[in-house]
Amino acid sequence: DIQMTQSPPSLSASVGDRVTITCRASQSISSYLNWYQQKPGKAPNLLIYAASTLQSGVPSRFSGSGSGTDFTLTISSLQPEDFATYYCQQSYSSTTTFGQGTRLEIK
Amino acid sequence: QVQLVESGGGVVQPGRSLRLSCAASGFTFSNYGMHWVRQAPGKGLEWVALLWYDGNNKYYADSVKGRFTISRDNSKNTLYLQMNSLRAEDTAVYYCARDYGDFVPRRLFDYWGQGTLVTVSS
Repeated sequence: DIQMTQSPPSLSASVGDRVTITCRASQSISSYLNWYQQKPGKAPNLLIYAASTLQSGVPSRFSGSGSGTDFTLTISSLQPEDFATYYCQQSYSSTTTFGQGTRLEIK
Repeated sequence: QVQLVESGGGVVQPGRSLRLSCAASGFTFSNYGMHWVRQAPGKGLEWVALLWYDGNNKYYADSVKGRFTISRDNSKNTLYLQMNSLRAEDTAVYYCARDYGDFVPRRLFDYWGQGTLVTVSS
């Protein structure tokens, strides 16, 4: 299986901050990388797919980049509703895998 | 609007079986691949299984292969997960999720249900 490693595992930031979360794949996955946001007690929500394509309805302060093995999710100016856990997911292989998550907390 | 509603969770003893259901509405169910994804308490997301739109192709995570079976009834707009030989480590919230692509799966998830909790304990 392709292993997905996110960093950092947790992050404290303030409203208005610019935040970057990274995701590394154990082998090249081209641009088959997706990002999800999950709030406590809720199902995940698709934010970005194909590394950099914003899902419909997702605010433009979210952006994604990368290809091959290294990817980033950037939130340009944190809003109160952005404090959540973020997961990357590779859709390159027939058995998809997630990163372990990055918990974004209020400083 | 797209809705996915899981049911069938509960407490079950190790080694026993349980069947989960996911009722879909608001889209042409028979055009989409469907997944099960689980999340153990306080842990991350783990993909479990994928079933193609027509039921002809199935894929499983190694952790459940040989024990779990994914199936669907397109006439009832319902997805199932038959879970046999359950273990404590199968304890999780189980989500059904729609694949983003119609017909050929893209293996990403654009709609999710609210989840159903399965607890495996003696």
